[in-house]
Amino acid sequence: EIVMTQSPATLSVSPGERATLSCRASQSVSSNLAWYQQKPGQAPRLLIYGASTRATVIPARFSGSGSGTEFTLTISSLQSEDFAVYYCQQYDNWPLTFGGGTKVEIK
Amino acid sequence: EVQLLESGGGLVQPGGSLRLPCAASGFTFSSYAMSWVRQAPGKGLEWVSAISDSGYSTYNADSVKGRFTISRDNSKNTLYLQMTSLRAEDTAVYYCAKAQGSSLYYAWSDWGQGTLVTVSS
Repeated sequence: EIVMTQSPATLSVSPGERATLSCRASQSVSSNLAWYQQKPGQAPRLLIYGASTRATVIPARFSGSGSGTEFTLTISSLQSEDFAVYYCQQYDNWPLTFGGGTKVEIK
Repeated sequence: EVQLLESGGGLVQPGGSLRLPCAASGFTFSSYAMSWVRQAPGKGLEWVSAISDSGYSTYNADSVKGRFTISRDNSKNTLYLQMTSLRAEDTAVYYCAKAQGSSLYYAWSDWGQGTLVTVSS
């Protein structure tokens, strides 16, 4: 099983600042990596797939990078609606696995 | 507009069974792989089961293997999760999710709002 490790667990950021979230895979997942955003009481929402492609209607302030085992999600200028939990997920190998999540909170 | 509507959740005793349907609309259901993902209270996301567009291929997490069965009825645009031998650790919100395409090797682009399953005596 591929273990996905996200860091940090919690990120405190002021509105307008940049947030950088990391995700590491225990073995290569090529570019088969997605990022999801989840707000309290809501279902997850796909942000990024293929490690770097934004999903439909996702704002340009969200960007993804990386391949193999190291991945990054960057939010260039945090808006109030971006405070949430973010999960990475690999879909390269079975079983599909998620990272433990990074909570982005208001500083 | 894609809509995924889960139902069938509720309180069940340990060892019991439950079937979760997910009614799909707004897209050609038979052309997309589907999946179930769960989230225990206050915890992260855990993938449970996935099924190809035709239903021919299925995959299950080790934690549910032999107890849960994913299936689909493309004539009814409905995905199912049959859960048996339920345990307390199966308590979670269960989400149905649609893949970006027919292959199982895609991200999950659309999600339902989830249905809560509570396993307790």
